[in-house]
Amino acid sequence: AQSVTQLGSHVSVSEGALVLLRCNYSSSVPPYLFWYVQYPNQGLQLLLKYTTGATLVKGINGFEAEFKKSETSFHLTKPSAHMSDAAEYFCAVSDPNSGNTPLVFGKGTRLSVIA
Amino acid sequence: NAGVTQTPKFQVLKTGQSMTLQCAQDMNHEYMSWYRQDPGMGLRLIHYSVGAGITDQGEVPNGYNVSRSTTEDFPLRLLSAAPSQTSVYFCASSLKQGANYGYTFGSGTRLTVV
Repeated sequence: AQSVTQLGSHVSVSEGALVLLRCNYSSSVPPYLFWYVQYPNQGLQLLLKYTTGATLVKGINGFEAEFKKSETSFHLTKPSAHMSDAAEYFCAVSDPNSGNTPLVFGKGTRLSVIA
Repeated sequence: NAGVTQTPKFQVLKTGQSMTLQCAQDMNHEYMSWYRQDPGMGLRLIHYSVGAGITDQGEVPNGYNVSRSTTEDFPLRLLSAAPSQTSVYFCASSLKQGANYGYTFGSGTRLTVV
């Protein structure tokens, strides 16, 4: 069974500082990986995903993530935080060899941005 | 583009009452699913469907029923509401249930059971 662990339920950064949200996965095969963002009182939106190919993937709003197989990680970064980035972020994993397995989500990391 | 539409947005139920949470999508997505979101628990899968007439259980199916009579609609029924079902419920859909397809989420239904 696949799983993801998001390190830190709450991360706080200053405006303009680097954003780093950590996600580690557990999978017997190289998985597909996703990051979603949830703004207050809204549903989740896809930020970016890794399936195959380039291990550094770029998403919306200046976010990017790097798939590191050796570290079983898929951390989300943004060079300079904006106030509008305050939200909850979810990492998710799926098995590329299983056509009917739903996404498995992490417990989420709430990002606060301080002015 | 309506995307995934959930109704109602808010609901208060008394213990023992039943109700149906509606979910509709207009993107001709084959795959639809229901999650509940609770503080510190992330999203937990309740039920999902890979096409009309096909449903399956997720991680936390007890107390909930689903059916999928059309591609567009995937209602979630609470048979006898309990306070433990107080949560925010999200419906999500995907073109297919394939590993590389991302999900489109509705805006959620906030349910309180008193």
